Amino acid sequence: AQSVTQLDSQVPVFEEAPVELRCNYSSSVSVYLFWYVQYPNQGLQLLLKYLSGSTLVKGINGFEAEFNKSQTSFHLRKPSVHISDTAEYFCAVSNFGNEKLTFGTGTRLTIIP
Amino acid sequence: GAGVSQSPSNKVTEKGKDVELRCDPISGHTALYWYRQSLGQGLEFLIYFQGNSAPDKSGLPSDRFSAERTGGSVSTLTIQRTQQEDSAVYLCASSLGVTETQYFGPGTRLLVL
Repeated sequence: AQSVTQLDSQVPVFEEAPVELRCNYSSSVSVYLFWYVQYPNQGLQLLLKYLSGSTLVKGINGFEAEFNKSQTSFHLRKPSVHISDTAEYFCAVSNFGNEKLTFGTGTRLTIIP
Repeated sequence: GAGVSQSPSNKVTEKGKDVELRCDPISGHTALYWYRQSLGQGLEFLIYFQGNSAPDKSGLPSDRFSAERTGGSVSTLTIQRTQQEDSAVYLCASSLGVTETQYFGPGTRLLVL
């Protein structure tokens, strides 16, 4: 079985400040890792994904994440946030042969002007 | 092109009634997923269709839940004898296949009174 932990349910950040949203996973097999974003009253949208290769993954809207196998982490970062980044962010995991996504509980990012 | 569409967008029903939720995936996508997003359980997998293979039903919470996918395209999720704990947003996603990005629809918000 696999699981995802997002320890921070809410993260307030001042505009133009950097942010890191934490994600840790547990799995007995090799994983694929994803970050999805859900803007207010909208559906889920893929920010970025890690399948293999370079452990630093760049996504849309200036976000990036780093896969750390030894720490079983896939933290999401942005060097400078904007008001438009206000949303809920979900980390998810799947693996080959088990393509359904297992999601974390989400982190609500609030940008303070 | 058109994204994943779901209907209805909102559904209010009385406890004990049956409901049907519809998902139209992106044309050409062979994989289709149903997830549920609720306050108590977060985002959880329900069922997965891949091509002509038998669906993965491992996430269905009870035998009151069923789903079918006709002609490899449209899918219907049916909940029989609805209970108040079934109230949630039901999300559909589709993808081109294994390791491909899952694209989510806007969801159907179900309220069971």
